[in-house]
Amino acid sequence: GNSVTQMEGPVTLSEEAFLTINCTYTATGYPSLFWYVQYPGEGLQLLLKATKADDKGSNKGFEATYRKETTSFHLEKGSVQVSDSAVYFCALTFAQGGSEKLVFGKGMKLTVNP
Amino acid sequence: GAVVSQHPSWVICKSGTSVKIECRSLDFQATTMFWYRQFPKQSLMLMATSNEGSKATYEQGVEKDKFLINHASLTLSTLTVTSAHPEDSSFYICSARFQGLVKNIQYFGAGTRLSVL
Repeated sequence: GNSVTQMEGPVTLSEEAFLTINCTYTATGYPSLFWYVQYPGEGLQLLLKATKADDKGSNKGFEATYRKETTSFHLEKGSVQVSDSAVYFCALTFAQGGSEKLVFGKGMKLTVNP
Repeated sequence: GAVVSQHPSWVICKSGTSVKIECRSLDFQATTMFWYRQFPKQSLMLMATSNEGSKATYEQGVEKDKFLINHASLTLSTLTVTSAHPEDSSFYICSARFQGLVKNIQYFGAGTRLSVL
């Protein structure tokens, strides 16, 4: 089946700390991989994505590389800010019945303190 | 960017009543809308996929008669929880995929928290 396993939090960091959120996946075929972020009171927003092996997605200082050999898509940021406080979801898409579906990890809540 | 509006953000109802949740795309026409359910500390679980003008496709284990989905226009989909019971209390989230925009990307509403007393 298709599934995503990610680090569970919550995690609290100080501003300018290094962030890694681990994500591994199980999939048939070749999924696209995503990181979504949910800020307080808002809907999930796409943070970055990668569609094939060795692709690197990046946005707002965050990066993640599609590693087929380790079935991973770990999210990293070199220096977090208070405004990065949010819930982060790793996800993949797979095709079923002519439609593309998203499968999410459980999400990880990050709090960044000044 | 594309915006999806979900209403209400929070609803409390008595057991046995029905609750309707609206999901609107504000800037674009949504070819496909999705409804998810999220339990505390769990991931989002896809409930159903709806395409404008056709019946929704429900995921295995989701009761069609319990969770009625209507996607009557390209900008509006509704989820009605019929005869709600306390076990239906959850966080419901919709998303939309838009014609002409980046493939595979879903845009999400802020979610609706349903509490059934």
